[in-house]
Amino acid sequence: QLQLQESGPGLVKPSETLSLSCTVSGGSVSSSSFYWGWIRQTPGKGLEWIGSIYYSGSTYYNPSLKSRVTISVDTSKNQFSLKLSSVTATDTAVYYCARHVLLDWIPTYLDPWGQGTLVTVSS
Amino acid sequence: DIVMTQSPAILSVSPGERATLSCRASQSVSSNLAWYQQKPGQAPRFLIYGASLRATGVPGRFSGSGSGTEFTLTISSLQSEDFAVYYCQQYKNWPQTFGQGTKLEIK
Repeated sequence: QLQLQESGPGLVKPSETLSLSCTVSGGSVSSSSFYWGWIRQTPGKGLEWIGSIYYSGSTYYNPSLKSRVTISVDTSKNQFSLKLSSVTATDTAVYYCARHVLLDWIPTYLDPWGQGTLVTVSS
Repeated sequence: DIVMTQSPAILSVSPGERATLSCRASQSVSSNLAWYQQKPGQAPRFLIYGASLRATGVPGRFSGSGSGTEFTLTISSLQSEDFAVYYCQQYKNWPQTFGQGTKLEIK
């Protein structure tokens, strides 16, 4: 059974870079059938898709965050990672990683999701 | 961006009754729509894709319908474990977007 687990600091200072990793178990990030995505959730904005990556390194990013986001994949560690630069309090959220299922070569629904990790931006 | 609007924000229904949740897209997404269930303190759980296709293991009381801009998630006979927040997601266009959710609560 595929499982995803987010890890990283729970507290980040304003203007710094948020860095999270997602470790995949029970499956491989090198699978040709999936992208791997990051989503965040806040009480105010709800669920927001951040971006997704293929094992080859091909990415899709949300234009609203694209200038600050980098998603990378490490197939040797079976992990993918998120970096969000120049964070502010508005980036405080629960961050989820998820498998992004390809249908007809298009990333579609997200299943399964990691348990999520709360990241607070505060000095 | 395609805006997904869910209604109502809160739906109060008694166990055993039918619940009907709506999701509207600001432009056509064809059938490129998924539904998720989220319980407090948990990650969203995938339920339906292609507007009407149930994920493996999802009970038959969950059904999705619609296409274009209007979609419905119906839960035919509510069980206690069904009370949660439900989200729709469109994957027709980038960026993929979610609705703001409908909270299904016990009446």
